[in-house]
Amino acid sequence: GAVVSQHPSWVICKSGTSVKIECRSLDFQATTMFWYRQFPKQSLMLMATSNEGSKATYEQGVEKDKFLINHASLTLSTLTVTSAHPEDSSFYICSVDLLGSSYNEQFFGPGTRLTVL
Amino acid sequence: QKEVEQDPGPLSVPEGAIVSLNCTYSNSAFQYFMWYRQYSRKGPELLMYTYSSGNKEDGRFTAQVDKSSKYISLFIRDSQPSDSATYLCAMTFRGGGNKLTFGTGTQLKVEL
Repeated sequence: GAVVSQHPSWVICKSGTSVKIECRSLDFQATTMFWYRQFPKQSLMLMATSNEGSKATYEQGVEKDKFLINHASLTLSTLTVTSAHPEDSSFYICSVDLLGSSYNEQFFGPGTRLTVL
Repeated sequence: QKEVEQDPGPLSVPEGAIVSLNCTYSNSAFQYFMWYRQYSRKGPELLMYTYSSGNKEDGRFTAQVDKSSKYISLFIRDSQPSDSATYLCAMTFRGGGNKLTFGTGTQLKVEL
């Protein structure tokens, strides 16, 4: 499988500030990365699909101006939560799509826990 | 109605028990079915993948798909305390942009 890292693993910030979360594919190149959000005791909800070199595709109801995604290289995608508010506190997880797989296999990062005070 | 329904539990079983985890779905277009295991505060890891009706076995794990009933299951034999985690079903279809639709997850606790 693929190894995916996220940084930071845990972040606390004040309301109104911006937070950047990095997702790295460590052992292979990922054309596509996905960003999910998971609230306590709830499932993963896809926020956006990040494609290298192009604009991200956001799911319905996700504010693209609030959740800025940059996929500048085949191994790195970043999610920036702008003007964070307490309701943005959640567990953010990225995944990478394994090229050449016969099905839609995704490998997930360890997640980033964001707490907005 | 959610596209994928999964009982959130929690489910508590004694060590050595057979565990049955289930999901139902409403979208008949789903073709690929996956089970992920997620430990607390960690990302999900893929356990099983199936794409056809029937059973698929891998060690202590068996994944079962019944497309006619839109029902999938994961069986864990000889359950161990280390199996204590949240189990998420996920599904997708070819041409769906590689997007996964997840169930809410079932929290499992295997007790000594």
